[in-house]
Amino acid sequence: EPEVTQTPSHQVTQMGQEVILRCVPISNHLYFYWYRQILGQKVEFLVSFYNNEISEKSEIFDDQFSVERPDGSNFTLKIRSTKLEDSAMYFCAGHRGPNEKLFFGSGTQLSVL
Amino acid sequence: TQLLEQSPQFLSIQEGENLTVYCNSSSVFSSLQWYRQEPGEGPVLLVTVVTGGEVKKLKRLTFQFGDARKDSSLHITAAQPGDTGLYLCAGVRNTGFQKLVFGTGTRLLVSP
Repeated sequence: EPEVTQTPSHQVTQMGQEVILRCVPISNHLYFYWYRQILGQKVEFLVSFYNNEISEKSEIFDDQFSVERPDGSNFTLKIRSTKLEDSAMYFCAGHRGPNEKLFFGSGTQLSVL
Repeated sequence: TQLLEQSPQFLSIQEGENLTVYCNSSSVFSSLQWYRQEPGEGPVLLVTVVTGGEVKKLKRLTFQFGDARKDSSLHITAAQPGDTGLYLCAGVRNTGFQKLVFGTGTRLLVSP
């Protein structure tokens, strides 16, 4: 079965640094998402992306966050100036059509020191 | 804010036992999904229930959506060690997008 690929699997960064988390969605998917899961807490929606623009974002997704799909292949999440509380597992996800099955990647564990 | 509460949070049982996990909300969802998540992996979809009162079976797993579409249950018959994992329910509104509201999760341990 096709997979959503995320890199790196682990990212350690200093507070205030910029990080870019990368995702390669399944090739025929059109809807893309970022979710995150802080250790011991629920999986939380961050942002949805369709037709090359953000369709919805949560309160967590403030001005420090951005997403883009520059080449029609990769889907990235950028955090401009990381904070300690950004430490979490970040999951990329996607699906092909409206309300179709959502496929998650294996996640990037981000640790902000 | 839409919340989904799962119970129990933790469940430790012996192989062969039956169990039920509950997912409750005060909000109505157009559909509800159940996921299983292994350590270090993303959630994997098990089933989606859409119609109030709907029952779906996946081998030894039975999923039910409440009549009012606010709650759901997952019943496992004759649990096996391979069922060990984190089970998550997630509600979605019918917008075409999969903006999920995840439950608090139930961690299941099935011992041989």
